[in-house]
Amino acid sequence: DTEVTQTPKHLVMGMTNKKSLKCEQHMGHRAMYWYKQKAKKPPELMFVYSYEKLSINESVPSRFSPECPNSSLLNLHLHALQPEDSALYLCASSQPRRLTTRNEQFFGPGTRLTVL
Amino acid sequence: AQSVTQLGSHVSVSEGALVLLRCNYSSSVPPYLFWYVQYPNQGLQLLLKYTSAATLVKGINGFEAEFKKSETSFHLTKPSAHMSDAAEYFCAVNSEGSNYKLTFGKGTLLTVNP
Repeated sequence: DTEVTQTPKHLVMGMTNKKSLKCEQHMGHRAMYWYKQKAKKPPELMFVYSYEKLSINESVPSRFSPECPNSSLLNLHLHALQPEDSALYLCASSQPRRLTTRNEQFFGPGTRLTVL
Repeated sequence: AQSVTQLGSHVSVSEGALVLLRCNYSSSVPPYLFWYVQYPNQGLQLLLKYTSAATLVKGINGFEAEFKKSETSFHLTKPSAHMSDAAEYFCAVNSEGSNYKLTFGKGTLLTVNP
């Protein structure tokens, strides 16, 4: 299984809502990532979890809260978002400790988020 | 710090023509280089990667890329374009000193005309 799955596929939320994005992989990867992608731009890294610990936070506003319940799951909790947070949110995973694969990331299909 | 430059934000070819998407990188350490493809409303899919083994790398869907250290390039080619190749293509390099970060180029949109 070389797939990263993400749910939901689409999400529309108001600025006062609380919602969560979910990501799952069964490749035995020990690093998982959240990216934000705006239209016609490359993905921007938000968070990295390595061995279930938060390793990188790219100065993301606290209205985004990541969680890694186990090595296969990654969540992104959303609260009090702004319309400018509307974007495609991508999850990815990789195997960080093998020299030749550590930056080789496998991406999920993304969640298209619209904040009204 | 690493950087990636993709020349041409938009490349248009005819079906059956050669596809050439350009990527130049800068890195003070031996780079690991990647090409990803993104179809509309989808995630990124790894096309191919260079990790210091063979300089000519073959990927999926008939794409290949050649690592040229002297030119700091990793251009993506396909001999004959197909309509299904229309997508956004991103070149990326591993970020120095990080097991996790990739530095992406700005992307090249490939359109294929019938």
